[in-house]
Amino acid sequence: ETGVTQSPTHLIKTRGQQVTLRCSSQSGHNTVSWYQQALGQGPQFIFQYYREEENGRGNFPPRFSGLQFPNYSSELNVNALELDDSALYLCASSLGSPGLNTQYFGPGTRLTVL
Amino acid sequence: QKEVEQDPGPLSVPEGAIVSLNCTYSNSAFQYFMWYRQYSRKGPELLMYTYSSGNKEDGRFTAQVDKSSKYISLFIRDSQPSDSATYLCAMSGNTGFQKLVFGTGTRLLVSP
Repeated sequence: ETGVTQSPTHLIKTRGQQVTLRCSSQSGHNTVSWYQQALGQGPQFIFQYYREEENGRGNFPPRFSGLQFPNYSSELNVNALELDDSALYLCASSLGSPGLNTQYFGPGTRLTVL
Repeated sequence: QKEVEQDPGPLSVPEGAIVSLNCTYSNSAFQYFMWYRQYSRKGPELLMYTYSSGNKEDGRFTAQVDKSSKYISLFIRDSQPSDSATYLCAMSGNTGFQKLVFGTGTRLLVSP
């Protein structure tokens, strides 16, 4: 069984640029959630995708957007990067059945915005 | 006030000690409770998963949920230096939408 993978591992961007982060879900999982974890904080929910559609969103502006593909892999796009976007971005996959809230996380992508 | 409160620590204990980690929460809709372990610069790893109130044991780890007090705990018996990590509590409601709400994490240091 393959776990959740994310790419790239690290990324450095400058303010105003755009970035795309990628996630491959665990085998058999059809739901992908994205979280932002600032240094010293717990992960904050960005949004979730279930069967290629957004299935809920946290308190993040529209410049954070995503996609899920037919193979259930996913992308997180962030436009007009700000310094405060510097964080560890985590992807988690799960099986989208009622009552099964077990989410398995990938290793994350560390984004630094200069 | 945050939905989930967790003491950031650090909590320092000697090897072999019993560790108690705790979270309180304010949202009575939370039904699912999880503990994740996160090593430095890594993604969170699921340790324990509990639905509603009660206890759950897995090896050296015991998770407790007291919904009447809105209080959850994780106990680690016979702690090892390899247990040194940040422990995150997480919870979610009973809907088809699986948003997890995390605490800030407690940093645990187990010294040999």
